[in-house]
Amino acid sequence: QVTLKESGPGMLQPSKTLSLTCSFSGFSLSTSGMVVSWIRQPSGKSLEWLAAIDWDGDKYYNPSLKSRLTVSKDTSNTQVFLKITSVDIADTATYYCARRPPIAAISLYVMDAWGQGASVTVSS
Amino acid sequence: DVQMTQSPSNLAASPGESVSINCKASKSISKYLAWYQQKPGKANKLLIYSGSTLQSGTPSRFSGSGSGTDFTLTIRNLEPEDFGLYYCQQHNEYPPTFGAGTKLELK
Repeated sequence: QVTLKESGPGMLQPSKTLSLTCSFSGFSLSTSGMVVSWIRQPSGKSLEWLAAIDWDGDKYYNPSLKSRLTVSKDTSNTQVFLKITSVDIADTATYYCARRPPIAAISLYVMDAWGQGASVTVSS
Repeated sequence: DVQMTQSPSNLAASPGESVSINCKASKSISKYLAWYQQKPGKANKLLIYSGSTLQSGTPSRFSGSGSGTDFTLTIRNLEPEDFGLYYCQQHNEYPPTFGAGTKLELK
């Protein structure tokens, strides 16, 4: 069974760095073709893809936020991390991690298994 | 970035009815469109990718069609569990982008 779970600070102040962790089971990020993405959703709004990391350690970022994002993974290939620097109120959202399905030749950006999301509030 | 425009924003229907949700891309995305379902307290669910390919586990009452810039998600014979939010997402080019969502409500 594939599961993903996001964790984060819940609340942080403007200008700080947001650190998020995606812990998953049921698959390994060391498997060829595997990709884990981060997506966020402000309350009542749509989804925004932020970043992804693949099995080979290649990283992909949304150009609109690239300068503030860093995605990484742990050596056991069971966790993925996202850091967002210099947060402000506009970064208040639910943050999701999601996996690319293990289907041959499928786009990097299709996501078949999602976590339930971690709510992050930026407030002074 | 490719802009995705979904319509309608809200849709009310009854169980047993059929509904369609549209998604229009600002430029051609070939067939590379996915549909997701979002419900409170549940993980987002991939329903369809590459325009018309049903994800494993997606009921056959769901179907996707379209190519280029215009796509449609059709749900036939609505079941009570189908009510929720639906998002389209283009997966043709980087960065992937989502539509604004369609809320399917019980009439």
